[in-house]
Amino acid sequence: KQEVTQIPAALSVPEGENLVLNCSFTDSAIYNLQWFRQDPGKGLTSLLLIQSSQREQTSGRLNASLDKSSGRSTLYIAASQPGDSATYLCAVLTGTASKLTFGTGTRLQVTL
Amino acid sequence: DAGITQSPRHKVTETGTPVTLRCHQTENHRYMYWYRQDPGHGLRLIHYSYGVKDTDKGEVSDGYSVSRSKTEDFLLTLESATSSQTSVYFCATQGGVEETQYFGPGTRLLVL
Repeated sequence: KQEVTQIPAALSVPEGENLVLNCSFTDSAIYNLQWFRQDPGKGLTSLLLIQSSQREQTSGRLNASLDKSSGRSTLYIAASQPGDSATYLCAVLTGTASKLTFGTGTRLQVTL
Repeated sequence: DAGITQSPRHKVTETGTPVTLRCHQTENHRYMYWYRQDPGHGLRLIHYSYGVKDTDKGEVSDGYSVSRSKTEDFLLTLESATSSQTSVYFCATQGGVEETQYFGPGTRLLVL
């Protein structure tokens, strides 16, 4: 059974700092890995998707990497802003019936 | 996003009553999913569908049933609501070249 772990569970950083969120998964037979953002009381918004054959994806100040053999992914946020405050969720898609398994998220607060 | 709407957005009901939640999508995606989100558990898959009339169970399917009579609609029914089913329910679809998952805004359900 696939298990996804995110560390840390919560993180508070001052504005402007670069930061890294971590995600690990137990079964490397994944189809892709997605990073989502969730604002309080809202749904999930997809940030980045990395296919199993890829090593990284970039979108603006966000960069996600994938090391499938070690079962790890990182989400790098450059020059953090208060608007980045949210919960970030990592999820892996397994080939069987395209099911996503989610981590429990990292709650990020960027302070002024 | 994939034009996903959920109804109702909020519902309060009593233990023992049946409840139906509706998910509607406009992107003609094949796969549709129902998740519940609870503190400490993250997002957990209840049921999913891989086509009209084709559905299967997720990891927390007990007490829930689903139906999909049209591509655009996926219904989740709580056959006899219990307090343990108080949660936020999210619908998602999967589609596009990269098989990205897109989420609806969620339904907050309170079972008294």
